[in-house]
Amino acid sequence: KAGVTQTPRYLIKTRGQQVTLSCSPISGHRSVSWYQQTPGQGLQFLFEYFSETQRNKGNFPGRFSGRQFSNSRSEMNVSTLELGDSALYLCATALAGDYHEQFFGPGTRLTVL
Amino acid sequence: AQSVTQLDSQVPVFEEAPVELRCNYSSSVSVYLFWYVQYPNQGLQLLLKYLSGSTLVKGINGFEAEFNKSQTSFHLRKPSVHISDTAEYFCAVRSANQAGTALIFGKGTTLSVSS
Repeated sequence: KAGVTQTPRYLIKTRGQQVTLSCSPISGHRSVSWYQQTPGQGLQFLFEYFSETQRNKGNFPGRFSGRQFSNSRSEMNVSTLELGDSALYLCATALAGDYHEQFFGPGTRLTVL
Repeated sequence: AQSVTQLDSQVPVFEEAPVELRCNYSSSVSVYLFWYVQYPNQGLQLLLKYLSGSTLVKGINGFEAEFNKSQTSFHLRKPSVHISDTAEYFCAVRSANQAGTALIFGKGTTLSVSS
């Protein structure tokens, strides 16, 4: 079956702009989590959505937001981009009730100039 | 709160040699433990997990890990590595007391296998 899909794979933006990233989960997966990966900070949890509701949130400023649609697809938005937002953004999806195995997408590489 | 420390940022090893990647964690509550692998330009793939029961867990690609509660460690081992094992490896924990999937990751260990 198809894996987790993230679009776009690469993105270049300038400071002050906003960006929206998309994650399509594996069929039947209802939990979607987002992570930021940078060389300095490593992998950091942003937030998790389940059944269109944010269930957990990491320690990121309010410029980072997300949402989940009824088909479980999720988007994350970053407003007023800063240079430090340059990162690989990964989403991970899981079946309801089986959170021990998350499947990661290939990520979106965001570069902020 | 939980934290994860991967004790080696880089581990060079020759093909067919054994390898151990070290991971220590800190938590005031019970946790689940995971090892993930990331190949270049790809997402993360689950190698193995410890939830409960036997402290020695076996995963994919010949990897295994041992949970040591007294030393709060979860070291990853492979008896004989291949060139194709070259990748970045991440240890992660998740609270057993909280609903959801949020993982706390270590900074990663780059395993470089040469011939």
